[in-house]
Amino acid sequence: DSGVTQTPKHLITATGQRVTLRCSPRSGDLSVYWYQQSLDQGLQFLIQYYNGEERAKGNILERFSAQQFPDLHSELNLSSLELGDSALYFCASSGVGTKDTEAFFGQGTRLTVV
Amino acid sequence: GENVEQHPSTLSVQEGDSAVIKCTYSDSASNYFPWYKQELGKRPQLIIDIRSNVGEKKDQRIAVTLNKTAKHFSLHITETQPEDSAVYFCAASYSGGGADGLTFGKGTHLIIQP
Repeated sequence: DSGVTQTPKHLITATGQRVTLRCSPRSGDLSVYWYQQSLDQGLQFLIQYYNGEERAKGNILERFSAQQFPDLHSELNLSSLELGDSALYFCASSGVGTKDTEAFFGQGTRLTVV
Repeated sequence: GENVEQHPSTLSVQEGDSAVIKCTYSDSASNYFPWYKQELGKRPQLIIDIRSNVGEKKDQRIAVTLNKTAKHFSLHITETQPEDSAVYFCAASYSGGGADGLTFGKGTHLIIQP
C-alpha cells in the first residue's frame, strides 16, 4: 500500500459526460500529480499541484481540469468525454525537497467511456 | 519539454540471466531519474532512482547507471527471477523547483523465461 488513495477504482460513463476522480495523497505530502496511462500514449504527466497551487502542466487537455483542496486532497475533472479518454488515471504524491522526490502512485481509476 | 526514449520495448531473457534496459533523455536540466516496475493491472512502483550527481547506484540485484554527457541511463537486473516479469518504465524530471512531473519512457515488457 503506497498510502495514496484514489476513488473510484472503476468508472464507466457515456460520451459527452463529465466525471470527477478523487485522490488523497500520503500523509504529509504536499505535491499531487495526475497521470494518464493508455496503450497508445503510455504514461503521460497531466498536471501537478503543490500545497493547493497549480505548479506544472503537462499534456492536459482543455476539457480536463484539476484542483487541490486545503486538506491536500485533489480532484481531476474530465468533461465532454470522448471514447479516446478511456484510460487508467493515476494520482501520485511526493514530499518536499530533493530528498523527497519519490512519487508514490495510487492504484488508479480505470475510466471507460462508451 | 523533456523527451525520454526507452529500448527495447520487449525483452525476453532466460531465468538467471541478466537484463538491461536503456533510456535516453533530451533535457540537460533533468536531474532525477527513477525506474518504475508495473505489474499487470497494478500501480507503478519505484524500484530504484538516481540523481545527476551520481554515476551509478546499486540495490541488491538491481543497478542503474547514468551518463550525463550522453544523456543516457540504464537499468541492469542480474540473476533474473520469474517475479521480475513486468513492465519497466524509466523517467526523468527536474527536481528542486519548477516542473517536477515525471516524463516517462514508453516502457519495456520484461519476460523471464523459465
